[in-house]
This record gives sequence, structure tokens and C-alpha cells, in this order.
Amino acid sequence: QVQLVQSGAEVKKPGASVKVSCKASGYTFTSYDINWVRQATGQGLEWMGWMNPNSGNTGYAQKFQGRVTMTRNTSISTAYMELSSLRSEDTAVYYCARKFEYSSSVWFDPWGQGTLVTVSS
Amino acid sequence: DIQMTQSPSSLSASVGDRVTITCRASQSISSYLNWYQQKPGKAPKLLIYAASSLQSGVPSRFSGSGSGTDFTLTISSLQPEDFATYYCQQSYSTPDTFGQGTRLEIK
Repeated sequence: QVQLVQSGAEVKKPGASVKVSCKASGYTFTSYDINWVRQATGQGLEWMGWMNPNSGNTGYAQKFQGRVTMTRNTSISTAYMELSSLRSEDTAVYYCARKFEYSSSVWFDPWGQGTLVTVSS
Repeated sequence: DIQMTQSPSSLSASVGDRVTITCRASQSISSYLNWYQQKPGKAPKLLIYAASSLQSGVPSRFSGSGSGTDFTLTISSLQPEDFATYYCQQSYSTPDTFGQGTRLEIK
């Protein structure tokens, strides 16, 4: 079945960087964009950006420009999201999601299980 | 950015009730509106895409409607497993934006 499996929880100090992985299976990895969404504890969903695994092209939310980098390794069907200069406000669960497009409609399905990133001194 | 506003923010209901959640976009998004269900500690799950299309495997008690700026998610007869938080998402333009969520609780 189509699924995305993310790497495990991370604890980082302020100012450090974190790199979260998202391994795809059950479909052709290079055929669909991967998007990243985060969710602080008890809060809503915040879109961070997208990556085209075929071309490597990316697009980031303005809020994260300069701090986020999305990459991929097509040989192992894995996408990565790296966030730098971490601060306490970056403590959140980070999700990857496949962007599905069909007949002028666009949606996210499936989602990874989420990766908790905790930023604490 | 397109702002998405859901109402209500929280809702108490009983098993068997009919429930409606609304989502309003700050500008027209045609039918580029999706609904997700999220349970505590879990990833969001797609329920409805393109405003009214039911995702495969999702029970038929869930339905969506609307276009332009106003959308609704309806659960025709609440089941115990439906108590969760629901989010709308617009995919009309980048950045994709989500509503703030509607928490559906047991009365």
C-alpha cells in the first residue's frame, strides 16, 4: 500500500539544525510532490513547503525562507526536510504528505506518521 | 495568502446526531477545498477532496458541499469513532492554508 514512513523523534538545542526523513513506498516516488506540514502541540496545521522529487524543484512558505531546505534521494525513495537556526517555537510535529493531483483537484494523501522535534536548552 | 475560517471551533454532540462544520475562504477557491480528520497523536486523514468527493474507504455518512468561498462538511449520523478534530484546506493557490480546526467532542 501507499505509505510514507518518517524518521524518529529528535531533541535539539536552540540554534541547531534538524533533518527529518520521509521514505515513500507503494508508488513511484518521482511522480508526486512531497509537502511538509507542521503542528505545534495543541495547535493547527501549518504548511511549510513542497518538493518535486523528479526535478528537485522546491517552494517554501515565506515564513521559512532561508531556514528550510527540502531535498531527496531518489535511489531510496526518500525525501528530507532540514530546518536550521532552531528556536523553541519550532517545537512541533512535522509531517510529510504526498500531493495528489487529479482532474484539476489537489489534495494531500497519504501523510507520514509525524516526527516530533523538540527544541530545548 | 488565502485565509480559511472554520466554525465552530469546537462542538459537542451525541452519537447519532447530524453535525455540520463550515469553512469560509477569504477569496474564491472554486472547489479546491479538502477536509481532513485528525485523532489525537495521529496524522491527518483525508476525508473529502475537491469539496464534495468522498475519499475511498471513508464512510458515506461523511459528505461535503460548497464552492467559491463557502463550504460545509456534514456527518449524517455521528459514530463514536468520529469524535476528532476536523480541518479544511484550500489547495487553490500556494501557500496551501488550513482552517484552525473544529474539535468535535462527545456530549
